[in-house]
Amino acid sequence: QKEVEQNSGPLSVPEGAIASLNCTYSDRGSQSFFWYRQYSGKSPELIMSIYSNGDKEDGRFTAQLNKASQYVSLLIRDSQPSDSATYLCAVDGSSNTGKLIFGQGTTLQVKP
Amino acid sequence: EAGVTQFPSHSVIEKGQTVTLRCDPISGHDNLYWYRRVMGKEIKFLLHFVKESKQDESGMPNNRFLAERTGGTYSTLKVQPAELEDSGVYFCASSQVGWGTQYFGPGTRLLVL
Repeated sequence: QKEVEQNSGPLSVPEGAIASLNCTYSDRGSQSFFWYRQYSGKSPELIMSIYSNGDKEDGRFTAQLNKASQYVSLLIRDSQPSDSATYLCAVDGSSNTGKLIFGQGTTLQVKP
Repeated sequence: EAGVTQFPSHSVIEKGQTVTLRCDPISGHDNLYWYRRVMGKEIKFLLHFVKESKQDESGMPNNRFLAERTGGTYSTLKVQPAELEDSGVYFCASSQVGWGTQYFGPGTRLLVL
């Protein structure tokens, strides 16, 4: 079992729809959770961080964390073609020292 | 404010040669991380510096890899001798605090032939 798992996709949604990206993790003691966006050939760019159970909203993005079920998700509302990218889920494990463990990433395609 | 910079952006070397990658973190960031992504795999942690000290080097693949951070500023990652399986993208990231947001550099694409 991988430490952080994501569906590699591609996930295809029409422009204006809600894109839902999911991630599960194995270390129950994990404390910090991050979503990065990576365009092809570019560096990962932080979109959202979440540390406690529940929802965290920032513009069109909402991160959801459920520590009991060990999953974290990212919702993108009103998806735009510019949102097409690979979305990486990263978890800082129970040591909470910044050693990020990444999932393989989900490729999102937003079709006009 | 300048972001994390890495040099070179690309490197093509032959098996057995030596390559040195450089990372300049964001000014004032004490924490510096190296990660690597090999083809088809997830990004994996290599090591973590706090200032000039190695905090965690549990992800370093073997003793062919040597990382240094002189004076707590820039860092270098040397691979000597390079093997085919070392090919991939090497990312550097920095943060103000160990549990804080990590800002990634553009990466160095290494190809070992």
